Amino acid sequence: DTAVSQTPKYLVTQMGNDKSIKCEQNLGHDTMYWYKQDSKKFLKIMFSYNNKELIINETVPNRFSPKSPDKAHLNLHINSLELGDSAVYFCASSQDEQIRSPLHFGNGTRLTVT
Amino acid sequence: LAKTTQPISMDSYEGQEVNITCSHNNIATNDYITWYQQFPSQGPRFIIQGYKTKVTNEVASLFIPADRKSSTLSLPRVSLSDTAVYYCLVGADSGGYQKVTFGTGTKLQVIP
Repeated sequence: DTAVSQTPKYLVTQMGNDKSIKCEQNLGHDTMYWYKQDSKKFLKIMFSYNNKELIINETVPNRFSPKSPDKAHLNLHINSLELGDSAVYFCASSQDEQIRSPLHFGNGTRLTVT
Repeated sequence: LAKTTQPISMDSYEGQEVNITCSHNNIATNDYITWYQQFPSQGPRFIIQGYKTKVTNEVASLFIPADRKSSTLSLPRVSLSDTAVYYCLVGADSGGYQKVTFGTGTKLQVIP
């Protein structure tokens, strides 16, 4: 069983479109995250969501909006896609917000904006 | 935020022990040191975490000197499947992962 699964694995779309990436975890964790890994392989946190509290990295454009229907799901919706949004997006979860709770990552969604 | 510095890349032959050192000179009293491994086309995977001295699990050992300004991840007898990028993270429970950066990591290439 896949612990953290995200779909789709690949997403190719044109500038200006709106797209969503879905994430589900079956670990019973309380906290979920979205990370972005750019072409230089830097991995940056975008959002974390814990017990209905959303914490947003202030550098993330408001075109990106996370949605969590329940604590097992954290989806990412992106409006008006731009070329610079091309990256690999990783969903992750942890038991709670503490550093001592290891992150469990999905296998990523490679987004290509043309 | 505690900044970390690691070598960009390392090569090792199969069967050798590999030690990857991470510098974190401004580590805070409540910070933990955590290492993750990332294979191509996969998300990072937790390897080991420690606060001080030595921690060992079935995958690796983590050595932390008394001043905690650095840490060393030790992989015993590496195989080709250990080829990956290894990230050192430093952070405290109070800040959560919002206060932790992955950095550039160390790309380990295991050679036959």
